[in-house]
Amino acid sequence: AQSVSQHNHHVILSEAASLELGCNYSYGGTVNLFWYVQYPGQHLQLLLKYFSGDPLVKGIKGFEAEFIKSKFSFNLRKPSVQWSDTAEYFCAVNGMEYGNKLVFGAGTILRVKS
Amino acid sequence: DAGVIQSPRHEVTEMGQEVTLRCKPISGHNSLFWYRQTMMRGLELLIYFNNNVPIDDSGMPEDRFSAKMPNASFSTLKIQPSEPRDSAVYFCASSLIGTAAFFGQGTRLTVV
Repeated sequence: AQSVSQHNHHVILSEAASLELGCNYSYGGTVNLFWYVQYPGQHLQLLLKYFSGDPLVKGIKGFEAEFIKSKFSFNLRKPSVQWSDTAEYFCAVNGMEYGNKLVFGAGTILRVKS
Repeated sequence: DAGVIQSPRHEVTEMGQEVTLRCKPISGHNSLFWYRQTMMRGLELLIYFNNNVPIDDSGMPEDRFSAKMPNASFSTLKIQPSEPRDSAVYFCASSLIGTAAFFGQGTRLTVV
C-alpha cells in the first residue's frame, strides 16, 4: 500500500535556525509530491508542489523542497525560520497509477522559539 | 474563487443523532476528498471521488459513515448514528485530478 513517512513528529528550533523536515514515500511509478502547512486552528494550505522538471522546488514563505527519486524522498527546507513558521507540516503524495489518491504523512509539528 | 466551502463550521450533537456535513468544491475541480483529523490519529483519508464517482472508501471507519456526491458542485458526509469517538475536525478538499488539492476550513464536530 502507498505510504508516506515523516521522520520527526516534533521539532523545536530557535529563530534564524535552518530547517529540514524529512519525507519518504513508498510508491512505484510517477508521483506528484506536496508539502502542506497547517497553522494552529486553521486548515491545510499548500506550501509547494512537485510534478516534474527541476527537482528543487521553491514554494511560498521561503520554503523549498528537493525531490530525490533514488531515495524516494522529498525533504522540506528553509534556511532561516521565523516564529511565525510555528505550525504543523504535512508531506503528501499522489500518483496517477493510484487513481489520484492523495495520501498524507503523519505530520511534523514545528515550534519556533523567539 | 471562494475556495472550498464547508458547512457547518461547528456542530455539536448528542450521541445517536444523525450528522450531515456539507462541501462545495472549487468550481471546475473533478476530485473531492473527505479527511478526518484528530490528535490521536492525525489526518485520515475517509473517501475520495473522481468525477462524482467514489473511487476509494476504504478509509470510512464503519457503516455508520456514508458519503455522496450527487453532482460536481456538492458532496455530503453523513454519520448515523453518531458516537463520541466521531468527534474530530472533518476537512473536505478538491482538486483537478492529479494536481494539488485545496482544503476547506473544516467542520469541527463534537458528539456529546
